[in-house]
Parts: sequence; structure tokens; C-alpha cells
Amino acid sequence: GDQVEQSPSALSLHEGTSSALRCNFTTTTRSVQWFRQNSRGSLINLFYLASGTKENGRLKSAFDSKELYSTLHIRDAQLEDSGTYFCAAGPRTGGYKVVFGSGTRLLVSP
Amino acid sequence: ETAVFQTPNYHVTQVGNEVSFNCKQTLGHDTMYWYKQDSKKLLKIMFSYNNKQLIVNETVPRRFSPQSSDKAHLNLRIKSVEPEDSAVYLCASSTTGGTLYFGAGTRLSVL
Repeated sequence: GDQVEQSPSALSLHEGTSSALRCNFTTTTRSVQWFRQNSRGSLINLFYLASGTKENGRLKSAFDSKELYSTLHIRDAQLEDSGTYFCAAGPRTGGYKVVFGSGTRLLVSP
Repeated sequence: ETAVFQTPNYHVTQVGNEVSFNCKQTLGHDTMYWYKQDSKKLLKIMFSYNNKQLIVNETVPRRFSPQSSDKAHLNLRIKSVEPEDSAVYLCASSTTGGTLYFGAGTRLSVL
């Protein structure tokens, strides 16, 4: 079945540093979405990409549909960036199934 | 501002009872989803509806049944809960193939 491999599973950053999260897809996907889940459990959509890159403040995401991967870059990490980040693949053309990766737990410390 | 509304926020029940969760979206979307998030935070799709029609039905126990009266509502009934049903159930909506918007979730505890 469709698989989304997300890495790393956990990440610790000091304030002001930068890093990247990655998702690999085992099958062709038409789009990728990135979410952040906060401590209250709310899932907030960060990006939706069908191709290329998008940037929003200190966050930047890229999607390579041919090489089957997507990245989320966090620049100048802040305490409020802490949470669990999920990528999701799909749906494929004509489909309605959006499959999530296993998440990256990010902790930003002073 | 949340535009996908789930009730209840929490529900505690005993094994064998029936529970129902409600979900309503005011975004005008035509697709709605139920996801289950377990204690390890893994998100697994359960069902997906498009314009009131069941489109995705993952391998879930038969005691789970989704119900959609119109494209703005998607409820979930669990006929006889089991301990392994304890989880957070997340409802979401989207345009066809578009960005998912999630509700705040319903946390179910089965004693």
C-alpha cells in the first residue's frame, strides 16, 4: 500500500538554529501537505504543494514529484515551533485517500 | 478560526457501549474524512466521503460505521467499543484533492 516515510522521528533544536524534515514516498503522489500539531492536539496546515517550493516566514517546503520526496526547512527556530510535524501524501489523481507520515517531534529549547 | 466542528471533545465509556461522534464543516467542502490517532500519534485514515458518497473505507472493524446526511456532516458510530478503540478521532474536510482542514478531535477513553 501507499507508504510515507518521515524522518527524523524526533529532533531537538536550540533557538536560532535551522534544520530540515524529510518525507519519502513509495508511490507517485499528486501533492504533499505539511501539518503541525500543537500540544493541544490541533492540526494546522502549513503547506500544500503540487510541485516546486513554497515559503512562509521561517518555513520553506519543497516537493519533488519525480524523485518522490518532500522537505520542510525550519529557519531560525523559535520556542513556538515546538510540536509534531506531519507530512501527508495525496490524494493520487482521481483518489480521495490522504496518507500521513509517522511524524517528527520537534522540541526547540532556549 | 476553526471551521470544522467536532463534538464531543471527550468521551469516556465502558467496553461494549455504543458511541457516536459528530462532525460538521462550514467551509463548503465536498470531501470529509475520519482519521484515528493512536497513543503513538500515528494518523490512520478510516473513511472518506465525497458528496455524501463513501469513497475510502480502510480496513476497520465492522463495529465502526460512518454516516453522512449531507456533504457538510460526517458522523462516526462505534457499535460496541473495545479497549483498543481508545484514541483521538479527527475529522477533516477538503475540496476534492485540496488542503485538509481538521477539527479539534474527539478523545475517546474506553474503560
